[in-house]
Amino acid sequence: TQLLEQSPQFLSIQEGENLTVYCNSSSVFSSLQWYRQEPGEGPVLLVTVVTGGEVKKLKRLTFQFGDARKDSSLHITAAQPGDTGLYLCAALSGSARQLTFGSGTQLTVLP
Amino acid sequence: DVKVTQSSRYLVKRTGEKVFLECVQDMDHENMFWYRQDPGLGLRLIYFSYDVKMKEKGDIPEGYSVSREKKERFSLILESASTNQTSMYLCASNRHLEAFFGQGTRLTVV
Repeated sequence: TQLLEQSPQFLSIQEGENLTVYCNSSSVFSSLQWYRQEPGEGPVLLVTVVTGGEVKKLKRLTFQFGDARKDSSLHITAAQPGDTGLYLCAALSGSARQLTFGSGTQLTVLP
Repeated sequence: DVKVTQSSRYLVKRTGEKVFLECVQDMDHENMFWYRQDPGLGLRLIYFSYDVKMKEKGDIPEGYSVSREKKERFSLILESASTNQTSMYLCASNRHLEAFFGQGTRLTVV
């Protein structure tokens, strides 16, 4: 099982600030995903990255996959209260059947 | 709209009871998963299934079993519920990379 470590565990910031959360592993990922979970709901996929060095943008969110495919980051520009939620990274095993999640970053954006 | 439906949002059961958590998906996905979610621990995989009647242990299968008699339905069974199984349980399905989740079942064992 690939161990995914996320940091920070908690993050509380003011509206308009920028932030970055990280997902790291000692293993090489075949692909990596970021999900967001709101209270009372299941996680929802934000993005999948598959190529080392890949950068994907989703409005104010920028996702980066490390060159060695062992780490990833999520950067949010000008955070808004609607960005509040639990951000989870996830990776597929070599068989692409088992999806393993990190422990998550709980983000709170204060108005 | 694609959907993964879990049978209950909230359950309260007594220690020692046999508990069934049901999950149904309408996307004809081969793969289905059961996770439990606890604060600070993220989602931990209990069991998954990649075909009817097939099952694989995840990271924390002890105290649980599963059943997949039909492609669309994946059941999680707590043979004898214990208080340390109080948690949020999430079901998911996927075919390729994206996993779709149900809304979760918050189980309390008293």
